[in-house]
Amino acid sequence: EAGVTQSPTHLIKTRGQQATLRCSPISGHTSVYWYQQALGLGLQFLLWYDEGEERNRGNFPPRFSGRQFPNYSSELNVNALELEDSALYLCASSLAGTRTTNSYEQYFGPGTRLTVT
Amino acid sequence: AQSVAQPEDQVNVAEGNPLTVKCTYSVSGNPYLFWYVQYPNRGLQFLLKYITGDNLVKGSYGFEAEFNKSQTSFHLKKPSALVSDSALYFCAVRDGSTDSWGKLQFGAGTQVVVTP
Repeated sequence: EAGVTQSPTHLIKTRGQQATLRCSPISGHTSVYWYQQALGLGLQFLLWYDEGEERNRGNFPPRFSGRQFPNYSSELNVNALELEDSALYLCASSLAGTRTTNSYEQYFGPGTRLTVT
Repeated sequence: AQSVAQPEDQVNVAEGNPLTVKCTYSVSGNPYLFWYVQYPNRGLQFLLKYITGDNLVKGSYGFEAEFNKSQTSFHLKKPSALVSDSALYFCAVRDGSTDSWGKLQFGAGTQVVVTP
């Protein structure tokens, strides 16, 4: 069974540019999550998509946005890049989460290393 | 609000000795608890979870964890450590509230170093 895949592996951008990161979930998983792993800040929750809708959002500015496609793959877009956006961005997927069934483990991809210069 | 603490930045253990990685949590309501491991330049790998039931949870690669409600702890254990267990270990928690819906709160991570 193929795991979560992310592309690109590395991305180098200049401050002020836009970055687009992509994620394909495990087959059968409808929920996709995005996390930022920055040096000194640990792993922080960014966004959760399920069935094409944004379900929850972490404490990040609006220039962090995304979407989920009908095939459940997802894009994370970061606009007006700042130096502090340099980090490893991890995508995870799980079976569908609901208000009463929120116990499914998340499976992570290898990440996209974003460097902003 | 939910939070999780891993009090040790690094744990050093000799190969063959027992390994323990500590985790304490704070949530409102019942916790969902998870352990993940991260190898260099890799994503996180799921090890085990506690949702309900038996306080001792067994997971992948010989790891287990014990849920202690009174001490709000979820320590990861392995009876006999291997050099290949050297990695960064993360504890994560989620409660049932709407605010944390889908959101895993991770600890800062504990670096495990197993020496031959």
